[in-house]
Parts: sequence; structure tokens; C-alpha cells
Amino acid sequence: AQSVAQPEDQVNVAEGNPLTVKCTYSVSGNPYLFWYVQYPNRGLQFLLKYITGDNLVKGSYGFEAEFNKSQTSFHLKKPSALVSDSALYFCAVTGTYKYIFGTGTRLKVLA
Amino acid sequence: DTEVTQTPKHLVMGMTNKKSLKCEQHMGHRAMYWYKQKAKKPPELMFVYSYEKLSINESVPSRFSPECPNSSLLNLHLHALQPEDSALYLCASSQPGGTVGYTFGSGTRLTVV
Repeated sequence: AQSVAQPEDQVNVAEGNPLTVKCTYSVSGNPYLFWYVQYPNRGLQFLLKYITGDNLVKGSYGFEAEFNKSQTSFHLKKPSALVSDSALYFCAVTGTYKYIFGTGTRLKVLA
Repeated sequence: DTEVTQTPKHLVMGMTNKKSLKCEQHMGHRAMYWYKQKAKKPPELMFVYSYEKLSINESVPSRFSPECPNSSLLNLHLHALQPEDSALYLCASSQPGGTVGYTFGSGTRLTVV
């Protein structure tokens, strides 16, 4: 069965510092991996995806993620955090038609 | 147009009421989805429509009834809901297969009293 895990409920980081939000996955076959961000009382916004190719994927708002097949990880990163990055972040894996979401990580960027 | 529009944004309904949630997209996507999200939890898939046909029903109670009148519209009809059905209901669309990512609407915040 496909699954994703986000081991941290919350990540705190100071503004201007690099941030990492962790995601590990378990899939049979090649994974399709995604990151989404959710602001309060809003829908999810697509940040980036890994389907195939370069292990470093660049996405919206300066975010990037590194696909690591040996560690089955797909961590979300940003070199310099902004207070406006504070939100709920979801990692997801998908097969046909259905996403499996992680439990979410709340990112808090402190001014 | 790169948006999924959901109406209403907020809805309060009694347990005997009948109401509908609406979702519209004009991106040419042929797959549309309903998700339910409780506070601080990930979205849970309810229904998937592919080419206007219901392809997945995740064992959702019959008090929730989806409808896809055409490729741009998706409705969720609600009847005899329970207080525990209170949640954020999200609509999403994508090309079938979902490998290019979903576009989500902002959701309808439903409160059942």
C-alpha cells in the first residue's frame, strides 16, 4: 500500500533561516510525489511535484524539494524563510485518481 | 482561467435540511474530486469523477450525493447530515491520472447544527 509520512507536526524557524519540512514515502513502483500548502480556511495550493528526472525539483514561491530514492524521502526546502511562509504543508503520493496525503506539518516562521 | 470556484464559502444547515455545494472549473480538466477536511487533518477523498462519470466512491454515506452535470461543474447534494459532518469541503480538478497535480478550490465551510 502507498503511504507518506510527515514526522513533524510543527516546524519552527526564524525568518531568513533555511527551512526543511520532512516527508518519507512508501510506494510500490515509481512514486509521483507532490507538495501542497494550505493557508487558514483556504484550499490546498500546489507547490511542486516529482514525476521523473532531476532529483532536485523547483517549485512556487522559492520552494524546492529533493527526491532521494535510497532514503525514500522527498523533503521540502527553502533557503530563506519568510513570515508569510507560515502555513500547513502536505506531502502527497499518487497513483491513478487518488492522492495519499501525509498528516501535514505546520510551519511557523518567527520574525 | 486557472481557478476552481466553490460556492457557497460558508454554509450552516440543520440536520433536516437539503442543501447543495457547487464547484466550477474552466481549465478543461476531465477529472473532478470532492474531499472532506477536518481541522488540522489532511483532506479525505470522497468522490472522483472522470469524464463526467463517477469512478470512485470512498464508501461515503448516502446522505452525500455527488452530481457532475457537465465537464465544468460538480455538485455535492447534502441531506439529513449529522453534526460530525461539519468540515471544510474541498473540490479539486485535474487531468485524469493526477500526475500534473490538482487544482483545489478554496472550499465550503459547512456547519451542521
